[in-house]
Amino acid sequence: DTEVTQTPKHLVMGMTNKKSLKCEQHMGHRAMYWYKQKAKKPPELMFVYSYEKLSINESVPSRFSPECPNSSLLNLHLHALQPEDSALYLCASSQGPGQSYEQYFGPGTRLTVT
Amino acid sequence: QKEVEQNSGPLSVPEGAIASLNCTYSDRGSQSFFWYRQYSGKSPELIMSIYSNGDKEDGRFTAQLNKASQYVSLLIRDSQPSDSATYLCAVKEKKSSGDKLTFGTGTRLAVRP
Repeated sequence: DTEVTQTPKHLVMGMTNKKSLKCEQHMGHRAMYWYKQKAKKPPELMFVYSYEKLSINESVPSRFSPECPNSSLLNLHLHALQPEDSALYLCASSQGPGQSYEQYFGPGTRLTVT
Repeated sequence: QKEVEQNSGPLSVPEGAIASLNCTYSDRGSQSFFWYRQYSGKSPELIMSIYSNGDKEDGRFTAQLNKASQYVSLLIRDSQPSDSATYLCAVKEKKSSGDKLTFGTGTRLAVRP
């Protein structure tokens, strides 16, 4: 089973709201990723967690705050977003360092910031 | 120079034809290559991975890798209208911050019935 789940599917939030995106995988993967994708562009890496530790932060603004509570779960906390942050937010997972780098994506959360 | 380059298309082929999608990359040290299919409004779906020079076949899909030429391609045989999507080439690259997947901008494929 190569399933990664994400909730919610859609999210509309104002610029002063705080919300969270959730991602879950049960494949025993030890690396998890957050990507942002704008229309007609490729996915853009935001964060990488490896063995539940943040290993890469691609200079993402602090209004995005990732969290990895355990090896199966990944959250992205959102606060004081801007309209330009509207995008499809994708979670992905892979086996982990030194193993297959095949990344499996969840269905995404389509975020609209008003 | 872009790190992973793809022709944005659209590549239009008739149903039943072979679709050929191409990708070049700049990091000569890259060892892992992936093709993803993305339907409009959906998330990317992994369809092929390739690590060694030569061909790798999976059903109607064949991935081809030539590390000397820094070139990877995807052939889709007997193309179907359901294959109409954007195909993303992705290359695993070593960066100072860690390993990352670098994506091309994608090639849009349209299969005409």
